[in-house]
Amino acid sequence: QQPVQSPQAVILREGEDAVINCSSSKALYSVHWYRQKHGEAPVFLMILLKGGEQKGHEKISASFNEKKQQSSLYLTASQLSYSGTYFCGTPPPGGADGLTFGKGTHLIIQP
Amino acid sequence: DGGITQSPKYLFRKEGQNVTLSCEQNLNHDAMYWYRQDPGQGLRLIYYSQIVNDFQKGDIAEGYSVSREKKESFPLTVTSAQKNPTAFYLCASKRAARDQPQHFGDGTRLSIL
Repeated sequence: QQPVQSPQAVILREGEDAVINCSSSKALYSVHWYRQKHGEAPVFLMILLKGGEQKGHEKISASFNEKKQQSSLYLTASQLSYSGTYFCGTPPPGGADGLTFGKGTHLIIQP
Repeated sequence: DGGITQSPKYLFRKEGQNVTLSCEQNLNHDAMYWYRQDPGQGLRLIYYSQIVNDFQKGDIAEGYSVSREKKESFPLTVTSAQKNPTAFYLCASKRAARDQPQHFGDGTRLSIL
């Protein structure tokens, strides 16, 4: 099943904070986060593994709560360069490969 | 520089025609993937390959075919059986271990004439 992302879109002023959520109806082993700018390739941000580990990338961090089957991406003091669509992806169960992505969260940062 | 090269950037298909999208990587990655992206949608997995001469169907494989004759190459053919092929196609690759990041090419935009 496709993970569900919320909100669908966010508009912020430069310097404001944002939280993007990703939840799944099935047990999660890991959550992968990517950012995509319009017409470009998705760019890897980070992978969260079971254990509630919180990781960071620049002023972007994320958490993973496997009991709640959800992950959250935190963008602190947002910059214009953070604009884009953020996707979470989850691996399939068993021995299959690839990622199942959510529909994405559109983030617009205004000066 | 290492990376993933997709070609062409834009492709037009006539009715009843098969077209092939190219994907080449020089990252020495074992696994390669094809995803389809439609407006307002996430990426959906078409096919993947974890090793040369082997590949597996993803969630939306109908109307598509692939081959993996070389480690660095994973071409995707959009056949005439795919009735709605207009989309943005992304190729990705990664190392063999389970939780490694996928690296994406710049994509091919396919349209119907």
